[in-house]
Amino acid sequence: EAQVTQNPRYLITVTGKKLTVTCSQNMNHEYMSWYRQDPGLGLRQIYYSMNVEVTDKGDVPEGYKVSRKEKRNFPLILESPSPNQTSLYFCASSPATGKFGEAFFGQGTRLTVV
Amino acid sequence: DQQVKQNSPSLSVQEGRISILNCDYTNSMFDYFLWYKKYPAEGPTFLISISSIKDKNEDGRFTVFLNKSAKHLSLHIVPSQPGDSAVYFCAASAINSGYALNFGKGTSLLVTP
Repeated sequence: EAQVTQNPRYLITVTGKKLTVTCSQNMNHEYMSWYRQDPGLGLRQIYYSMNVEVTDKGDVPEGYKVSRKEKRNFPLILESPSPNQTSLYFCASSPATGKFGEAFFGQGTRLTVV
Repeated sequence: DQQVKQNSPSLSVQEGRISILNCDYTNSMFDYFLWYKKYPAEGPTFLISISSIKDKNEDGRFTVFLNKSAKHLSLHIVPSQPGDSAVYFCAASAINSGYALNFGKGTSLLVTP
């Protein structure tokens, strides 16, 4: 089954404790991205990657890191999480061909930083 | 600065009637416009898109209209069904920015029986 898988689905952590949210896709998509969804703000892009070893900042990159060492994986790293990073996070992937802009989203990771 | 705006946070429509969701944008460089649908506890799913060279695209009960001069697009759902109740996000993208999607804040649609 074609899918984007995020782990964990739910995470509660303390301020300053490094964490990684994993994202994996099995569709051989070139493009992957991370979004956060907050009440009243919709979906905002954090980072995106056009292909392996190619990453760039989105609209709200502060406090986050990413890496793209393999085509299928695009982990999101919070080196020192803070309460304002409490949010619902989505990973997405898109093919280089096909309907432009059509993205496949994971089920989301709800992160709480206390 | 929000480049894609959905000014109606919520909309309630009776089953069988038409639902019209609106979206405005400010960036004239956008080439593609998309609508995503999101149910609670799930990720958004792609619904329909339109290229900036077209003014209408239809897929079953869903039609998207684009008015470039007004920088406005709308999603029409006819007839509306209770299963259409979800949050709808409008998104826009420019080819020269890669595949970055700029999302609106979403409109929560409730279709009542």
